[in-house]
Amino acid sequence: QKEVEQDPGPLSVPEGAIVSLNCTYSNSAFQYFMWYRQYSRKGPELLMYTYSSGNKEDGRFTAQVDKSSKYISLFIRDSQPSDSATYLCAMSASWGYQKVTFGIGTKLQVIP
Amino acid sequence: DTAVSQTPKYLVTQMGNDKSIKCEQNLGHDTMYWYKQDSKKFLKIMFSYNNKELIINETVPNRFSPKSPDKAHLNLHINSLELGDSAVYFCASSQGGSTNEKLFFGSGTQLSVL
Repeated sequence: QKEVEQDPGPLSVPEGAIVSLNCTYSNSAFQYFMWYRQYSRKGPELLMYTYSSGNKEDGRFTAQVDKSSKYISLFIRDSQPSDSATYLCAMSASWGYQKVTFGIGTKLQVIP
Repeated sequence: DTAVSQTPKYLVTQMGNDKSIKCEQNLGHDTMYWYKQDSKKFLKIMFSYNNKELIINETVPNRFSPKSPDKAHLNLHINSLELGDSAVYFCASSQGGSTNEKLFFGSGTQLSVL
């Protein structure tokens, strides 16, 4: 079993839809949870960052972490064609020079 | 200004050759990384350096040798290239040593081994 599981999609939605992206994980030591967005032929860029359980909102994006279920989500409201990209969840354990473990990424296409 | 830059962007070479990829960051970060993204888009860490010291060395063939001449640079040398080495290699940097590891990635080097 992979440490981080993520549905690769692709996921196609109409413009304006609410998008829900999810990851599950098996390592209970993970405490830091991130979402990266990767456009085609580009490096991933950090979108959202959350420590431990709870919600975090940033504009149209909301990140949720449920450590009891080992489940994290990213919601995108009022999705735009410019949101079309691959979204990778990522997580790491306690602070220090720890490695970040990535999910495989979900490819999202927002259709105008 | 580009924060994390790596060269070359594309690299096409024959099996058995030796090649290098260079990376530089101007963010003042202490920690730099090499990640490999395979054909299935799975992004996996290979190495991490903090202030020129190797701190993460995942299970990577010893044909891969990272070198950090200073904390702003991390190069990756690959000997005796194999078909399976074809992938996109990403350099990244982070502040390091803090309570989180927000990574800043370069644009990637697409390596094709023929």
